[in-house]
Amino acid sequence: KAGVTQTPRYLIKTRGQQVTLSCSPISGHRSVSWYQQTPGQGLQFLFEYFSETQRNKGNFPGRFSGRQFSNSRSEMNVSTLELGDSALYLCASSLVFIRGQGNSGANVLTFGAGSRLTVL
Amino acid sequence: AQKVTQAQTEISVVEKEDVTLDCVYETRDTTYYLFWYKQPPSGELVFLIRRNSFDEQNEISGRYSWNFQKSTSSFNFTITASQVVDSAVYFCALSEPAYSGAGSYQLTFGKGTKLSVIP
Repeated sequence: KAGVTQTPRYLIKTRGQQVTLSCSPISGHRSVSWYQQTPGQGLQFLFEYFSETQRNKGNFPGRFSGRQFSNSRSEMNVSTLELGDSALYLCASSLVFIRGQGNSGANVLTFGAGSRLTVL
Repeated sequence: AQKVTQAQTEISVVEKEDVTLDCVYETRDTTYYLFWYKQPPSGELVFLIRRNSFDEQNEISGRYSWNFQKSTSSFNFTITASQVVDSAVYFCALSEPAYSGAGSYQLTFGKGTKLSVIP
């Protein structure tokens, strides 16, 4: 079973540019979340999508946006890049709780290897 | 608001020693989930365990064991007979309740504990 795939793995951008990161979840996982990891702030929640709808958003400026497609694949976009946006961006996918089922795997996030963004 | 505190920033142990990683959490929810993840140098977060707030049983999985104490809001992780391959950053995390098909699976992470196992 393929894991969570993130592309690109590494990228370098300059201030003011924009970037789009892609995430393919594990087959059958309908919830996709994004996290930013920096040495100073640690792991911070960006947003979560389920059935093409953003269910929750972290405390990030509007320059950070995302979307989810009908096949559960997700993209996130950062516009007008700043030096402080340099980080490891992690995508995670999860099964969702379904009433009447065991749900042992629900809300257990499986993370991808991340996209390391450097802003110069 | 939810908060997770991992007071130990870095720990170094000699191989075969036992080591305990501390995790203290804060939440106003009566139902919640606690997690531990491992992040090796490769960067990918690896799931270790999920525990819901109703289940205070300790759990053992091979050399790993977890001690959940709701009374002290702690969810500590012990590695017995540590090995060099255990060297990584370990994160404790907290999730709000999730309901069938709804709710959000947002995780609040601690700052992590970097474990170095010296041969």
